[in-house]
Amino acid sequence: DSGVTQTPKHLITATGQRVTLRCSPRSGDLSVYWYQQSLDQGLQFLIQYYNGEERAKGNILERFSAQQFPDLHSELNLSSLELGDSALYFCASSDGTSGTTVTGELFFGEGSRLTVL
Amino acid sequence: GQNIDQPTEMTATEGAIVQINCTYQTSGFNGLFWYQQHAGEAPTFLSYNVLDGLEEKGRFSSFLSRSKGYSYLLLKELQMKDSASYLCAHPNDYKLSFGAGTTVTVRA
Repeated sequence: DSGVTQTPKHLITATGQRVTLRCSPRSGDLSVYWYQQSLDQGLQFLIQYYNGEERAKGNILERFSAQQFPDLHSELNLSSLELGDSALYFCASSDGTSGTTVTGELFFGEGSRLTVL
Repeated sequence: GQNIDQPTEMTATEGAIVQINCTYQTSGFNGLFWYQQHAGEAPTFLSYNVLDGLEEKGRFSSFLSRSKGYSYLLLKELQMKDSASYLCAHPNDYKLSFGAGTTVTVRA
């Protein structure tokens, strides 16, 4: 158990719909990262937050948005869903205390598997 | 940039040794990570190299050469449970950038 909690574990929805994925980081971790992993693909970085502030953005679609709340949990919102959005969405956390770079382990949640039909 | 290249697949026999190579290009070096990921599961941390040389952790070792932009993960005494994807990752700009992963299949 990494200490990172993601909900829901599985989600099936239709094209055009909107979903929200939730992540609770490890106790004490200030940084949250979101990654997308499509079938047989690598981990694609979406976005990163540190203590409520957006720090880095990857190739995240405009239909996707995220935020980190004062209690440090984070939500990833996916809207106008398309078939190609079907993927595993991972959240990871770290203590994020090393300036601009990651120098410690990222702890990954078990992921939210999204299926768009 | 931070292009990361690693082989797509490798197959080895139980009890054998396998070496997974990773080459990277980066404008600034901040270490290299290796993660293991079983199918459908979360990636789990294996190693983090900042300095050149070999670091050993039980059956797994990781090597880094910063001047060559090269790392490898060495898996010894392979077990069936080692069948997984092995991801090389480089940190930059507040995030970890992952390679596509090397799928290792261990056969009896």
